Amino acid sequence: RKEVEQDPGPFNVPEGATVAFNCTYSNSASQSFFWYRQDCRKEPKLLMSVYSSGNEDGRFTAQLNRASQYISLLIRDSKLSDSATYLCVVRNRDDKIIFGKGTRLHILP
Amino acid sequence: NAGVTQTPKFQVLKTGQSMTLQCAQDMNHNSMYWYRQDPGMGLRLIYYSASEGTTDKGEVPNGYNVSRLNKREFSLRLESAAPSQTSVYFCASSERDRATHTEAFFGQGTRLTVV
Repeated sequence: RKEVEQDPGPFNVPEGATVAFNCTYSNSASQSFFWYRQDCRKEPKLLMSVYSSGNEDGRFTAQLNRASQYISLLIRDSKLSDSATYLCVVRNRDDKIIFGKGTRLHILP
Repeated sequence: NAGVTQTPKFQVLKTGQSMTLQCAQDMNHNSMYWYRQDPGMGLRLIYYSASEGTTDKGEVPNGYNVSRLNKREFSLRLESAAPSQTSVYFCASSERDRATHTEAFFGQGTRLTVV
């Protein structure tokens, strides 16, 4: 079983809609959590960190539930430029960084 | 600002050949990583080095070796390439994480084809 699990999608969402992604992780020793974005054939780039209290960055909101080992990302008012693959990422205390398989998002005009 | 530099960007190997993928970072990071990415598989960790002088296996280490040459450089070696190692390889670096959500920075990737 992979340490970080995500629904691979694709999610096909009309422009302006709200979309939510979920992720679960299996290692209770994990200590830091992130969402990365990857555009086709490019390197992943940090979208946002995920804090225990939840955090927001513009149209993006991330939540963490340590008890359920569950991470989420909400995108409001989606734009065409949001089309990408979203990667759930977990960092353990030994500095190992594990990626989920990613969720593909297509924003439709 | 170079960040993380990988060489080469593209490579074609014949089955059984060996090669070394090079990675260097100029951000004075302690931790460095090698991943491979295959279609539909996300990024899978091959090896990582939490600090200079240490290396540890990741999720898919078989068929690979690594060397943390110094703080800046972390190389990945394929001793006898196989078609199953055809993939995009990413190197990343990061400062040590102390529950402070330290970001990892990636190189642009090496596209390797083994024929």
